[in-house]
Parts: sequence; structure tokens; C-alpha cells
Amino acid sequence: DAGVTQSPTHLIKTRGQHVTLRCSPISGHKSVSWYQQVLGQGPQFIFQYYEKEERGRGNFPDRFSARQFPNYSSELNVNALLLGDSALYLCASSLGIYNEQFFGPGTRLTVL
Amino acid sequence: GEDVEQSLFLSVREGDSSVINCTYTDSSSTYLYWYKQEPGAGLQLLTYIFSNMDMKQDQRLTVLLNKKDKHLSLRIADTQTGDSAIYFCAEITGNQFYFGTGTSLTVIP
Repeated sequence: DAGVTQSPTHLIKTRGQHVTLRCSPISGHKSVSWYQQVLGQGPQFIFQYYEKEERGRGNFPDRFSARQFPNYSSELNVNALLLGDSALYLCASSLGIYNEQFFGPGTRLTVL
Repeated sequence: GEDVEQSLFLSVREGDSSVINCTYTDSSSTYLYWYKQEPGAGLQLLTYIFSNMDMKQDQRLTVLLNKKDKHLSLRIADTQTGDSAIYFCAEITGNQFYFGTGTSLTVIP
């Protein structure tokens, strides 16, 4: 069975641009969560979606948005990129909201 | 439940046991998790423990939970070079995961 997949694996953007990151959950999982992991730190929770609805939001500015599609895949959008947005963005899927999460390999975003 | 703390570094010799410690703040956490992250990779779930348990053993891994002190530990028996990675503990509060800062484990051959 395929695990959580994310695309692209690497991305380079410049300040002020926007970016869309994509995630496909494990088959049968209905919840997707997004995390930001800055180098040298633990992952920080951004969003959780379940059945296409936002079920949780971390302490991130409105420049960050996400959505979940009917097939349970998800997109994370970040507008007006800042240098500090450079990080590894991790997607995790789970059966439901409270179940253990399985992580994808991440998308490495570099903002120049 | 946002403050999950770990020591940053640990070095052990191959074949020895490793003990990675974690303290958390939210006593209402239902599950506590240990994840492993190798360089450039995502997080791999190693094991988890339900909050009403004191100990869980899974092959070379032993998780100890002291709920009174809000202290969680992961013991890796017979540590191998392939165990070199960053280890994160995480607690789930409601539907949100809070991760620790990570402990970088170096295994010396």
C-alpha cells in the first residue's frame, strides 16, 4: 500500500510569491494534517482537515490556507511568501481526527 | 499542551541502550507518541502509549510513562548505527499534535 505522498519534493520561490503544496493520504484515511518544520525544530501544527472541513488550526497567519478535496487529498497554500516560510512542510494522514498520524516525506520549500 | 521538551543530543556506543526523555505539560493527553526522523525524511511512527498505561514494550523499544511527573521515555535496546536519527515525542491534545524539540541520537560504532 502506498503511504502518504507529497508533491513537489523541493521548491524554490522568491519573497512575495505564492506556493501550493499537495498531499495524498493513505487510502481509507479521511483526515489530513499539515505541519511546518523549520530546521532544527519539531513540527508545528498548521491545519487539520477531516471530511473536507477544517477541524483545527495552529497559530499561523492568514497567508496560510488549505483545503481538502472529495478524494481526501489536500492542498496547502501560502501567499506573500516570507524568508521565514522556508521550511519542510509535512503532511500527515489518519483514519479520523484522533487517530495516530502517518507522515509523508515532506516538501522542502526555500524562499529567497 | 504546547510545551513538550526534550534534551537536544544523545550519543551512545553501538550495542548499548539509549534512553531518550521527554516532558510534557498537558495531563489530559490521551496518547503519547514517539517518532523517528532520518536526515531529509519525514517522520516515522515508532510506537505510542495510551495515557492509562505505565509501560509498553515493542521489540527493542520500551516506552515508560510517569503520568504524575508528566515524563515519557523511550529506551532502545542494543542500539545500532541505523538508529542514528532525530527522535520526537508528541502528545495529542484534543485533535492537535504537539511535538517536542527532538533529540538527535548519534550511535558510535
